[in-house]
Amino acid sequence: AQTVTQSQPEMSVQEAETVTLSCTYDTSESDYYLFWYKQPPSRQMILVIRQEAYKQQNATENRFSVNFQKAAKSFSLKISDSQLGDAAMYFCAYRRTGANSKLTFGKGITLSVRP
Amino acid sequence: GAVVSQHPSRVICKSGTSVKIECRSLDFQATTMFWYRQFPKQSLMLMATSNEGSKATYEQGVEKDKFLINHASLTLSTLTVTSAHPEDSSFYICSAAPGQNSYEQYFGPGTRLTVT
Repeated sequence: AQTVTQSQPEMSVQEAETVTLSCTYDTSESDYYLFWYKQPPSRQMILVIRQEAYKQQNATENRFSVNFQKAAKSFSLKISDSQLGDAAMYFCAYRRTGANSKLTFGKGITLSVRP
Repeated sequence: GAVVSQHPSRVICKSGTSVKIECRSLDFQATTMFWYRQFPKQSLMLMATSNEGSKATYEQGVEKDKFLINHASLTLSTLTVTSAHPEDSSFYICSAAPGQNSYEQYFGPGTRLTVT
């Protein structure tokens, strides 16, 4: 079975600084997807970034980028120039390829941003 | 972008009654919908996967007779919590997957259920 581990329950970052959120996973599959989701206080799940396992290049979306280490099964999220609106819970998630397969989530990390 | 709605957003019901939560994909057809439960400060726990026109697949430990799921059309899935008890109070979230070639799941805004 696939597992996703987020070992840090909470982190804090100063506004405008950079923060990295850690995630590791375990799978026997060779092709899969990895995601970072943001859940603000409204509790609406928002996709931040995704990575296809077959792609070596790390995904980036504006201030968000990932460090995908396939051999180490590590998938960290870097948030640059942190903003107050980045404060939220962040979930790392795994999904194998195949039609409509389910997401496996980590426990999540609560990120606070200090003004 | 793809939009998923849930209704109601909040519901309070008395112990022993049943409550239905709707999940709709507004601008796409969802061959598969997923139902999650989330307690405060915790992760999303998958309850079941529903495919249009077939029976839902429940995760281990989820009572299928208590949490009835119906996926009657490509745009609507419903979760009915039967004979609700206070321990069923939680935040319920659905997500919808468009189809075979999509990696994406689109999440609804969630429903807060309180059982008194």
